[in-house]
Amino acid sequence: EAGVVQSPRYKIIEKKQPVAFWCNPISGHNTLYWYLQNLGQGPELLIRYENEEAVDDSQLPKDRFSAERLKGVDSTLKIQPAELGDSAVYLCASSLVASGSYNEQFFGPGTRLTVL
Amino acid sequence: GQNIDQPTEMTATEGAIVQINCTYQTSGFNGLFWYQQHAGEAPTFLSYNVLDGLEEKGRFSSFLSRSKGYSYLLLKELQMKDSASYLCAVMDSNYQLIWGAGTKLIIKP
Repeated sequence: EAGVVQSPRYKIIEKKQPVAFWCNPISGHNTLYWYLQNLGQGPELLIRYENEEAVDDSQLPKDRFSAERLKGVDSTLKIQPAELGDSAVYLCASSLVASGSYNEQFFGPGTRLTVL
Repeated sequence: GQNIDQPTEMTATEGAIVQINCTYQTSGFNGLFWYQQHAGEAPTFLSYNVLDGLEEKGRFSSFLSRSKGYSYLLLKELQMKDSASYLCAVMDSNYQLIWGAGTKLIIKP
């Protein structure tokens, strides 16, 4: 079974430029997450989708970040314009369901973003 | 607010046993997860506890006490490949995972 796929793996851009990340979750997983992880820290949730619906985007900086999950499968996360502080690893994860007593999240390899 | 505390770094010797502690304060509780994360890689699932007690899985065991807001991950017969960060995460009442900062475990020969 294929895991969560993310691209690109690495991205270097100059500040004020736009950038986009792509994620393909595990087949059949209804719930998709985008996290941001800084070095030496745990993941921080940016947005959670259940199928096509963004059910938790309270931590997404909406002035510059946007996300979509068309058809409830693939997802893209966009930053426009990027700032120096956006340099981090962006992780995508998926799970069968979000609610319920058990929820194992499977993570993709992440995209390491460097903003110069 | 919600808070997960775990030590920043621990060092242990190959072949030994190490216990990584995690304490939490969250809005509700729907289970506690431990994930392993090697440098530059994604987190991978290790264990899940929702009831009090010890869950054993090979060389790894995880313990939970809900009344104390406390969990630990026990690693036995340490191997060099166990050098990684270990992340504690609690699922709150909204089924959102609240993550700790992780404990970097260094294994020495």
